[in-house]
Amino acid sequence: GQQLNQSPQSMFIQEGEDVSMNCTSSSIFNTWLWYKQDPGEGPVLLIALYKAGELTSNGRLTAQFGITRKDSFLNISASIPSDVGIYFCAGPELQGAQKLVFGQGTRLTINP
Amino acid sequence: ETGVTQSPTHLIKTRGQQVTLRCSSQSGHNTVSWYQQALGQGPQFIFQYYREEENGRGNFPPRFSGLQFPNYSSELNVNALELDDSALYLCATAGGGRARDTQYFGPGTRLTVL
Repeated sequence: GQQLNQSPQSMFIQEGEDVSMNCTSSSIFNTWLWYKQDPGEGPVLLIALYKAGELTSNGRLTAQFGITRKDSFLNISASIPSDVGIYFCAGPELQGAQKLVFGQGTRLTINP
Repeated sequence: ETGVTQSPTHLIKTRGQQVTLRCSSQSGHNTVSWYQQALGQGPQFIFQYYREEENGRGNFPPRFSGLQFPNYSSELNVNALELDDSALYLCATAGGGRARDTQYFGPGTRLTVL
């Protein structure tokens, strides 16, 4: 099946810094989704991208759907303590059910 | 909040027992997917229901089964529990058309098998 490679696996930053993470695949996706998950809770949808080249913002978060449809990135500006968590990229497989394929996740830690 | 609810929040069972987990869909969402998330991993797709029919299945054995009801709520049943079934079980719902690509997750049920 399709796979997503997410990087970096973890980030340790200072409060106020900007963050960038990305997701790549060897096959195309028609939709890219970015989720944030806190420990023991379900993933929360941050941004959904539906068109190649699309750039979408949600507050301090900005995500882009790559032109090749094989990659996406998520940026967080001016990080704050509540940004701590695990960020996942995901996309529905092209065939059959809208099974979401997930990246390995990026664990974000912020030093105050 | 997404409007997707799951019950119970936590559950402890012993090997060989059976368990039923429940999910209430967000209003207007007719597609429900179930995922298993082991500690430190991303969610893994179990199966999906659309209009009360199974619409796709991941690499899980038949002892994982499900149902979707006319109000689009759903159940996940797991028989003959094994230790490796300990995980966070997530349901995710989606609407129709292009919105079927966009899944909203519930808070999950933490299952511990002893």
